[in-house]
Amino acid sequence: KNQVEQSPQSLIILEGKNCTLQCNYTVSPFSNLRWYKQDTGRGPVSLTIMTFSENTKSNGRYTATLDADTKQSSLHITASQLSDSASYICVVTMNTGFQKLVFGTGTRLLVSP
Amino acid sequence: NAGVTQTPKFRVLKTGQSMTLLCAQDMNHEYMYWYRQDPGMGLRLIHYSVGEGTTAKGEVPDGYNVSRLKKQNFLLGLESAAPSQTSVYFCASSYGTNANEQFFGPGTRLTVL
Repeated sequence: KNQVEQSPQSLIILEGKNCTLQCNYTVSPFSNLRWYKQDTGRGPVSLTIMTFSENTKSNGRYTATLDADTKQSSLHITASQLSDSASYICVVTMNTGFQKLVFGTGTRLLVSP
Repeated sequence: NAGVTQTPKFRVLKTGQSMTLLCAQDMNHEYMYWYRQDPGMGLRLIHYSVGEGTTAKGEVPDGYNVSRLKKQNFLLGLESAAPSQTSVYFCASSYGTNANEQFFGPGTRLTVL
């Protein structure tokens, strides 16, 4: 079954600290993997997109890694800010005709002052 | 550019009532999508469109209809609302295939009593 699992479900960290969010997937065939940030009451916003051949991609303080062999990805947030409080969603695209997207349920991050 | 906009932002319906959610994008994207987001679940695709005048079913199409009469607009209709359709609805659009980055609207929170 094509699934995307994220851990932890929720996380609280102090402002200025780093954190890492995990994503494991069983989606096949694989096309790309994306991380989205979703603020409360807003739509998801893309942070990174990685294809099979890419194993790391950065967007400011956000760095995503991909291990296509173990089907794992992580999102590392450096020097967290209060504005990083949001849900982070891992999404895997299937390399099929329509290229279906399989969404994880997200990790809810709270950055505390 | 406004990006992807959705109207209304909130709506409360009684069981059996009908309504239409409107999505508009000003990025000249070919692909448009309707998703629903429920607690504890990843976003699920309801219907999508690969171009003006075309629509197709996603994962959870039952109880919904869509139309794409103009390239920039994608309408989602509920003919006879049911409590199970209480959800947050997101519209998205992308350039080219859906493997490319999808841009999401702010969402519509719908409650069916």
